[in-house]
Amino acid sequence: EDQVTQSPEALRLQEGESSSLNCSYTVSGLRGLFWYRQDPGKGPEFLFTLYSAGEEKEKERLKATLTKKESFLHITAPKPEDSATYLCAVPRMDSSYKLIFGSGTRLLVRP
Amino acid sequence: SAVISQKPSRDICQRGTSLTIQCQVDSQVTMMFWYRQQPGQSLTLIATANQGSEATYESGFVIDKFPISRPNLTFSTLTVSNMSPEDSSIYLCSVEQGAQETQYFGPGTRLLVL
Repeated sequence: EDQVTQSPEALRLQEGESSSLNCSYTVSGLRGLFWYRQDPGKGPEFLFTLYSAGEEKEKERLKATLTKKESFLHITAPKPEDSATYLCAVPRMDSSYKLIFGSGTRLLVRP
Repeated sequence: SAVISQKPSRDICQRGTSLTIQCQVDSQVTMMFWYRQQPGQSLTLIATANQGSEATYESGFVIDKFPISRPNLTFSTLTVSNMSPEDSSIYLCSVEQGAQETQYFGPGTRLLVL
């Protein structure tokens, strides 16, 4: 069964304290892994798409990496405005446009 | 990326009533999706809406409860029918766009059923 698991469920960091979020998946024939950011009461905002193991993408303080079994979202020197829920998603094996979302990691960055 | 708007942004409804949520996109898209996000949980796909064909529903969701319209390539509606408190959720529409088939989301409709 296709499955996406994110850890930790919640993460509290001090401003400037770097860390990583994990997204592990069990889906045959990965056709992309998507990272989104969701602020409270808003829709998810697209961050990155990764397609192959070893691929990396960066945006400001965020860097996403991909292996054959998992993806990491590295946050370097975070700021309070990075506080949000970070979601990852993969396309279902039976349908490339239907996404399976993980439960998300709630990140809180304290000043 | 597409600019997506939803109406209403939030509503409080009485049980047994119905609410229609609108989703408007600023460009023509083939595929639109409706998701539900229950409190404290992640996103669950309700249905896929393609223009010119009937919406296809995911397991656990039925057309009588969540009828969908897709009259053109920039607009869709989702109706939540005969509501109960269990329907209290955020409802999100999304569109697939670009060569990388990325899904972009609207701002969501926050529904509370009393």
